[in-house]
Amino acid sequence: SQQGEEDPQALSIQEGENATMNCSYKTSINNLQWYRQNSGRGLVHLILIRSNEREKHSGRLRVTLDTSKKSSSLLITASRAADTASYFCAPINQAGTALIFGKGTTLSVSS
Amino acid sequence: DAGVIQSPRHEVTEMGQEVTLRCKPISGHNSLFWYRQTMMRGLELLIYFNNNVPIDDSGMPEDRFSAKMPNASFSTLKIQPSEPRDSAVYFCASTEGTSGRTDEQFFGPGTRLTVL
Repeated sequence: SQQGEEDPQALSIQEGENATMNCSYKTSINNLQWYRQNSGRGLVHLILIRSNEREKHSGRLRVTLDTSKKSSSLLITASRAADTASYFCAPINQAGTALIFGKGTTLSVSS
Repeated sequence: DAGVIQSPRHEVTEMGQEVTLRCKPISGHNSLFWYRQTMMRGLELLIYFNNNVPIDDSGMPEDRFSAKMPNASFSTLKIQPSEPRDSAVYFCASTEGTSGRTDEQFFGPGTRLTVL
């Protein structure tokens, strides 16, 4: 299956703390994408990391990829209440033609 | 650009009725995707189009579901007849390229469907 599985399912932290979410997958990938979904909204693309990359940064986001372990992590540093959302990973295998999403990690950041 | 536009935003209907959901992708985008999201099953890909042609409809749950893309700026997802288990949020997304696996997807706000 191309689907990624996010872990944990839910995460609650205080503002200013770091949040780490993990994604595991089963097949060889071409790239892996992370998306965020605020309550009642559509998904928003956060970052794409290619299979030959190990780490990528975008603002307060840091994504790592370990193809040997078939896993990725999303780190949000210095979290804010506005980061409260669900986060999804979408691993894309070599033959994949479309994104398949997992069930996501629900992050709650309290002030 | 206004982004991906979906209508209606909310739809409440009775079992057995026909439901039509509409999507206008971002101008210039070549691929369009329909997803369904429920608490139980998460976000499921139903069908996607490249250059108005359906590429993969293996996610369409059953024959009651059909999707069309008559031109580059419009797509519909129809459910006939609708059933209570079809209640979900339906999202439309588009990408600039024709590679759904490498391009960033832009999602619409979704249509919340309730079938009574």
